[in-house]
Order: sequence, then structure tokens, then C-alpha cells
Amino acid sequence: DTAVSQTPKYLVTQMGNDKSIKCEQNLGHDTMYWYKQDSKKFLKIMFSYNNKELIINETVPNRFSPKSPDKAHLNLHINSLELGDSAVYFCASSRKSVGGNSPLHFGNGTRLTVT
Amino acid sequence: RKEVEQDPGPFNVPEGATVAFNCTYSNSASQSFFWYRQDCRKEPKLLMSVYSSGNEDGRFTAQLNRASQYISLLIRDSKLSDSATYLCVTDRGSTLGRLYFGRGTQLTVWP
Repeated sequence: DTAVSQTPKYLVTQMGNDKSIKCEQNLGHDTMYWYKQDSKKFLKIMFSYNNKELIINETVPNRFSPKSPDKAHLNLHINSLELGDSAVYFCASSRKSVGGNSPLHFGNGTRLTVT
Repeated sequence: RKEVEQDPGPFNVPEGATVAFNCTYSNSASQSFFWYRQDCRKEPKLLMSVYSSGNEDGRFTAQLNRASQYISLLIRDSKLSDSATYLCVTDRGSTLGRLYFGRGTQLTVWP
């Protein structure tokens, strides 16, 4: 019944490794996002996809590559992990709206620790 | 200048108190406004949307002041369970879905 689910919940890995985080939503929303929350708790958008099409790509290193196989899934692959990538990564989704933006529904987060 | 600025707190109040948070936003074209709450080590959850005329949901009241570009959240009769970080959220007026989050205001309600 979980609306936005992401896996894994915890990810501990060494520098230089490649890892993926998966996200799925069953809300029927058209738009999905990846947000990053750093140690100072600041939530910042990384990417957004609308119906499998990339619409927002913030200034993120190209080691981060999102992939949306369909509108219910948005995965995030990270190459050559660095210490500074340690953070909590949240997937989110929203429905289409007219005259403004709809609120986001977040997954429960993936806590990435790079050692 | 950040899109959204909030007083980080912390606010420490006794049960039953009334507490108010303010948040300022920088873009006059902003159209969508929300308050989220985030519990420790959890995901942000929508508390309420903020409408132009102001709106209330139980003990929570949200107000929007477009002239001064700030939104507020008032919590009446605080409960222990209200302890959380409250995030102010807005957009830049486009419908691209890019929402900007404030850093959050931490609230602790003590018995």
C-alpha cells in the first residue's frame, strides 16, 4: 500500500563504487523527482521526470544518472561514489496540476554513507 | 539569496502553547505554497497547502502575505506529537514542478 517506495533504505559503500537506488510510485502521478538532503538538512532538487521525460536537471555531477523506464519508476545510478555524496536521497512524485504546482509525496528515503 | 528563508529555531514550547513560524520567499511570481513537517530521520510529509485567503486545518492555521512575501504557520494548543521540523515550500511561479524547500524550523513541545 506504500504510495512512494524506494530501496534500499540504507546503503553503505566505499569510495569509487557504483550504486543504484530504485523508486516506484503507485499513485498514478505523472511526475517523479530525486531530492538530496545533506547533513545540514537542506532539501535540494536533483532531477525531475514527467512521463519518462527529463524536465529538470539541476547542477548535479554527471556521475549521477537518473533513468525512468516508465512513469511509475525512477531510478538513480551513481558512479564513482565520493565521500561528499553521503546524504539522504528522497524520491518523490506529484500529480499534474493547473495554475500552480501540486505538493510532493515523498518516499521514506535512502541513507547513503560513503566510506 | 535563497528562494525560501526560515528561522531555524529551535522553538521549545510547553504543551498547550501557541507557536507561530514565519517564512519569507524571494520570488514575487511564486504561486504554490506549502508547509511540510519532517520527523527525525523520516521523510517530509505534507502538513497543509497555503491558500491566498488563508486556511485552517484543526489546530493549524496558514496565512499568505503576498505584499510582504511571507507565509506563516500557527499551531494552537501544541501537543507533544507536534515536535518536528517544519519546512516552508514554494515554487518560482512556473508549473515545471520545481519546489524550493526552506531549511526548516525545529519545534520541540515539552510536557
